[in-house]
Amino acid sequence: GAGVSQTPSNKVTEKGKYVELRCDPISGHTALYWYRQSLGQGPEFLIYFQGTGAADDSGLPNDRFFAVRPEGSVSTLKIQRTERGDSAVYLCASSLRDRGNSPLHFGNGTRLTVT
Amino acid sequence: AQTVTQSQPEMSVQEAETVTLSCTYDTSESNYYLFWYKQPPSRQMILVIRQEAYKQQNATENRFSVNFQKAAKSFSLKISDSQLGDTAMYFCAFRDNYGQNFVFGPGTRLSVLP
Repeated sequence: GAGVSQTPSNKVTEKGKYVELRCDPISGHTALYWYRQSLGQGPEFLIYFQGTGAADDSGLPNDRFFAVRPEGSVSTLKIQRTERGDSAVYLCASSLRDRGNSPLHFGNGTRLTVT
Repeated sequence: AQTVTQSQPEMSVQEAETVTLSCTYDTSESNYYLFWYKQPPSRQMILVIRQEAYKQQNATENRFSVNFQKAAKSFSLKISDSQLGDTAMYFCAFRDNYGQNFVFGPGTRLSVLP
């Protein structure tokens, strides 16, 4: 079946602009995660959804970052007033269950470059 | 908070040889789950292998196996008969029994040389 889909694959924006990153999880996966990965580093947790609600948003770095999942499927990560430090690859992953050994299934990520 | 450490930033191995990537973690929990993920240049993270802490037997998946030492909080990945396609970043990840989140290590860049 189809895997996790992220669009766009690359996004270049100017400092101060607003961006939206989209994630379409695997059908039937109730848990959805956003991670941020800087060059040469491991994924850093941002936010996690169980269904429509954000179960844990403790990783969002500040109030410029916000994410939604209104129908419990597709999610959008929104970044306001972008800064050069926001440049990174943003990874989305989904999981059949939010417990135990249920693994994360990742998309290909969106590379965000803020100029 | 749990932490995951991978002490080898880069490693290389000759094709067909065996290589071991190290991972240690810190937790006060007794039940948890450990994972190894591979990230090739294409950027997509792919699950390699997983281990439940309550299982004493080490997990194996074809050429990939782990050495899980619970007392030492160590979870190393062994790749046998290395292939050029194994060239990638490898990340160790931890999830405890109560948390939904995965904690990832900083990664090891593995190069398989022809």
